[in-house]
Amino acid sequence: QVQLQESGPGLVKPSETLSLTCSVSRGSISDGNYWAWIRQSPGKGLEWLGTVYHTGTTYYNPSLQTRITLAVDTSKRQVSLRLKSVTASDSAVYYCARGGFHTSWGWFDPWGQGILVTVAS
Amino acid sequence: EIVLTQSPATLSVSPGESATLSCRASQSVNTNLAWYQQKPGQAPRLLIFSASTRAPGFPARFSGGGSGTEFTLTIRSLQSEDFAVYYCQQYNDWPRYTFGQGTKLEIK
Repeated sequence: QVQLQESGPGLVKPSETLSLTCSVSRGSISDGNYWAWIRQSPGKGLEWLGTVYHTGTTYYNPSLQTRITLAVDTSKRQVSLRLKSVTASDSAVYYCARGGFHTSWGWFDPWGQGILVTVAS
Repeated sequence: EIVLTQSPATLSVSPGESATLSCRASQSVNTNLAWYQQKPGQAPRLLIFSASTRAPGFPARFSGGGSGTEFTLTIRSLQSEDFAVYYCQQYNDWPRYTFGQGTKLEIK
């Protein structure tokens, strides 16, 4: 079973860019896989942020379209998330997960353990 | 955006009994609905997809049903490890996936 592990800073200042990495192990990062980022906060609950295909094609939640960038590095077996111009409302636990493409693969399985990111000065 | 409303917010049930959780969509999602189980300090774990297909690792006492706008998750003969928060998620509206707010299943 593929395993996912998020990493990155736990504290980001307002207006700066949040950058996280998801390392993929015990499975292929390619082979038709899609990789998603999802966040969870007390105020907004669970929110799908976007999905990246192993080729680099990206799909974003329209609500974040102008601020989010996802990428995949197959040589490093990593998926990355960049979210710019963050505010306190971006504070959340961020998860990476496999899946999240149209209706054909719209669910998420498995998930990483998550990383808590706080936006504060 | 499709809004998913889960009810009840909290459900208190005794071990050995059954529990039925509800997820209602603001518009039809066909059968493009998943359920997740989340325990404290852990990530959500896929339980059901396509409204009624059980994910590997979950026993047959978990079952999902429904289509369109009304969905249920039923757990028979509740075990101690089943007490958790359950979320539904629709993936019919691409790229606007949404989740419900969750139902906390607690021990009575």
